[in-house]
Amino acid sequence: NAGVTQTPKFQVLKTGQSMTLQCAQDMNHEYMSWYRQDPGMGLRLIHYSVGAGITDQGEVPNGYNVSRSTTEDFPLRLLSAAPSQTSVYFCASSYSGGGNQPQHFGDGTRLSIL
Amino acid sequence: AQSVTQLGSHVSVSEGALVLLRCNYSSSVPPYLFWYVQYPNQGLQLLLKYTSAATLVKGINGFEAEFKKSETSFHLTKPSAHMSDAAEYFCAVSVWSGNQFYFGTGTSLTVIP
Repeated sequence: NAGVTQTPKFQVLKTGQSMTLQCAQDMNHEYMSWYRQDPGMGLRLIHYSVGAGITDQGEVPNGYNVSRSTTEDFPLRLLSAAPSQTSVYFCASSYSGGGNQPQHFGDGTRLSIL
Repeated sequence: AQSVTQLGSHVSVSEGALVLLRCNYSSSVPPYLFWYVQYPNQGLQLLLKYTSAATLVKGINGFEAEFKKSETSFHLTKPSAHMSDAAEYFCAVSVWSGNQFYFGTGTSLTVIP
């Protein structure tokens, strides 16, 4: 099983550039989410989706867009990259929303903004 | 809203010694609680979860955690540390009606040979 696949694994951008972080899962999970991980701050939720066509904001949504056109894919878009967005980004999925479902995580995308 | 506090950002234990990683939560409704482990350059993997069944939860790799409502705690323990346990550990909380998980800031475990 591939599980949750994130691409790219590493990326360096210049300030002001845009890019899309890809996330795909093959488990037919309804719930998908994006987190950023920064030293000493744990994981913070950026956006999440409870199904195709439905998205909502998490704790730190500013500067990021998402869409969910299929069950499998949940891309994260940086509109105009800023150095403060340098981070490790994780995509996660679970069978459904509802807090009792553990999440399955991808291996992360390490993003540096110069 | 829910929140999680992990006391001790770094914990060191000797190989074979008891591992104790602390997690306290805040929630106005019954919580669901999780422990995840993260190895270098990898994503998070589920160690165990509490979803209102037994208060003592056993997970993978010999870890277990006990839900104590009176202390709002969900500490992670392992009787005997192994070198392979060196990693970062995260506690997380959620609730049935919620679609958001709240993670602690993590505890880095070092195992000394």
